[in-house]
Amino acid sequence: AQSVSQHNHHVILSEAASLELGCNYSYGGTVNLFWYVQYPGQHLQLLLKYFSGDPLVKGIKGFEAEFIKSKFSFNLRKPSVQWSDTAEYFCAVYNNAGNMLTFGGGTRLMVKP
Amino acid sequence: GAVVSQHPSRVICKSGTSVKIECRSLDFQATTMFWYRQFPKQSLMLMATSNEGSKATYEQGVEKDKFLINHASLTLSTLTVTSAHPEDSSFYICSARVKRVNSMNTEAFFGQGTRLTVV
Repeated sequence: AQSVSQHNHHVILSEAASLELGCNYSYGGTVNLFWYVQYPGQHLQLLLKYFSGDPLVKGIKGFEAEFIKSKFSFNLRKPSVQWSDTAEYFCAVYNNAGNMLTFGGGTRLMVKP
Repeated sequence: GAVVSQHPSRVICKSGTSVKIECRSLDFQATTMFWYRQFPKQSLMLMATSNEGSKATYEQGVEKDKFLINHASLTLSTLTVTSAHPEDSSFYICSARVKRVNSMNTEAFFGQGTRLTVV
């Protein structure tokens, strides 16, 4: 079965620090990859997505993610975080063959001002 | 961007009653909708996948008779929690997949979620 792993459950950073959140998945076929963010009290929003082409994807709010097929990874990065980035981040993988969207366990990010 | 409307956003019901949650794709056709449940301080758990015009596919451990899913049209899917109990209290979120013609690429958009409290 397809699975998605986010290794960091809780991350605490100071403002201006760099961020990298790990995401690994288990499915070996063609996938679409997503990062979602859920701010406190709000619903999920799409940060960025990868379908094909350039494996380095840029999203909103200065976030980017790199798809490394050989490592089955899609890590999220931001060079300099802000207090407003405090939220929970979810990696998700869509498996075209199985028509299944699977989420990782989420990473709760807290940015200290 | 595509909009998914989920209604109601909050509902309180008595034990033993049924609650229906609607998920609508407002400006696109969603061939597939996903229903998730979020337990406090935990990640989203996929409950079921529904394709328009066919029966939903439930994840292991999810009771089909308790969580009835209907995907009658390309813009509407409903989740009915039957004979609700306090342990069904949770946050339920739907997601609709945009199917692009002649493309395997897909993108999922989320509703705002429904906070269900069973008393």
